[in-house]
Amino acid sequence: EDQVTQSPEALRLQEGESSSLNCSYTVSGLRGLFWYRQDPGKGPEFLFTLYSAGEEKEKERLKATLTKKESFLHITAPKPEDSATYLCAVQASSGGANNLFFGTGTRLTVIP
Amino acid sequence: DGGITQSPKYLFRKEGQNVTLSCEQNLNHDAMYWYRQDPGQGLRLIYYSQIVNDFQKGDIAEGYSVSREKKESFPLTVTSAQKNPTAFYLCASSGQGPVANQPQHFGDGTRLSIL
Repeated sequence: EDQVTQSPEALRLQEGESSSLNCSYTVSGLRGLFWYRQDPGKGPEFLFTLYSAGEEKEKERLKATLTKKESFLHITAPKPEDSATYLCAVQASSGGANNLFFGTGTRLTVIP
Repeated sequence: DGGITQSPKYLFRKEGQNVTLSCEQNLNHDAMYWYRQDPGQGLRLIYYSQIVNDFQKGDIAEGYSVSREKKESFPLTVTSAQKNPTAFYLCASSGQGPVANQPQHFGDGTRLSIL
């Protein structure tokens, strides 16, 4: 069964305390993995797309990496404004819109 | 600025009533989607459309209907047949080329509640 699991469910960090969020997946052939940021009461904001194992993407304090079974979103020296829910979505090999699977997200809180 | 506009931001439905959620995009995207987001669950696909005048059911289409008469617009109607409509509804679109591999871009959602 195609599945996307994010961990931890919630994470509290002190400002400047680096950490990683995990997205593990079991799908029938990976076509792409997407990371989004979602603020309360808002729609998800696109961050990164990763297509193949070994690929990395960076944006400011965020770095996304991909292996054959999971992706990590590394947050370096986070600031309070990084507080949000981070969503992972995986596109399976059949490629249709019905084959985009979302995780339930990691709710990140960064304390000043 | 290009983007996706959803309206209204908040909507209340009375029992037996149909309500329509608006979604407009000016990104010139071919594909549009509707999702439902409930606490503790991943986004679930309701309907999607790859081109004008064509749309397909997603995983939870029962009790919903859509139309795609213009490229820019993809309204969602929540009918009285949907018995548990309280949720956060998100509209998305994705760019040119094959549906696969294009990131979807989202509007800011409509929160629907029951009166």
